[in-house]
Amino acid sequence: NAGVMQNPRHLVRRRGQEARLRCSPVKGHSHVYWYRQLPEEGLKFMVYLQKENIIDESGMPKERFSAEFPKEGPSILRIQQVVRGDSAAYFCASLLTSQETQYFGPGTRLLVL
Amino acid sequence: GQNIDQPTEMTATEGAIVQINCTYQTSGFNGLFWYQQHAGEAPTFLSYNVLDGLEEKGRFSSFLSRSKGYSYLLLKELQMKDSASYLCAVRGARTGGSYIPTFGRGTSLIVHP
Repeated sequence: NAGVMQNPRHLVRRRGQEARLRCSPVKGHSHVYWYRQLPEEGLKFMVYLQKENIIDESGMPKERFSAEFPKEGPSILRIQQVVRGDSAAYFCASLLTSQETQYFGPGTRLLVL
Repeated sequence: GQNIDQPTEMTATEGAIVQINCTYQTSGFNGLFWYQQHAGEAPTFLSYNVLDGLEEKGRFSSFLSRSKGYSYLLLKELQMKDSASYLCAVRGARTGGSYIPTFGRGTSLIVHP
C-alpha cells in the first residue's frame, strides 16, 4: 500500500458523537482522496484535497461531514453527530499528482451503535 | 454521468484461467484501473490502461478497448490467494480541476481447489 497510514483502524461511536478519521499519505504525496465503502458495494468518492485546499467535495454530504489537509500533519475526515447510516469503511488514497495511480491506506472501519 | 458494470461474482478452479469483464459509460476517458481487494483490506493496484490493447504483468493481464467501452482482467494459473474482490475503476474527464475515478461494485472471485 505504498505507505499510506490510516488511524484508527476501527472506531466505535454512539449516535450523536463525533468521529475523526486520520490519513497520512505517502511521504511527498500532496493529493488525498477519501472514499466510503459499504459491504458488497464499490468505493464511493467523497472528497479530493491537496495541501490546504479542498479541490472537489462533490461526493461528501453537505451536513455533518468535513475534511481538511493542513500544511503539516495528516488529512482529517470529520463526521459530526454520527448516525447508524455512517457505519462503513472509510479509505483514503494518496498520489503524487492528480494523474498518478492512487495508493490506498488500510481503511478505518466505523461502527455507529 | 459515469456507469461501470462488472459481474458480481465468479468462481474458478485453482490452476485455471479466469477473465473478469468490465464495461463503462463515462463522460471522457483518462484511464482505467484494476484493483484487488481482499476482505477487510485496502484495494491494491493491479494495472492501468489508457491506450487500447493488452498490458501483461506476470500472471495478470488487462485489456482495453476504448471504442467499445470495455476492459477485462485476465488471471492465469489461479491460486487460492487470488480469491478476492476485483475492482474496475475509470477516470473520466477532468471536472472542476480534478480527475475523479469512478469505481464499479467489484467482482468477487472465489477460487476453489
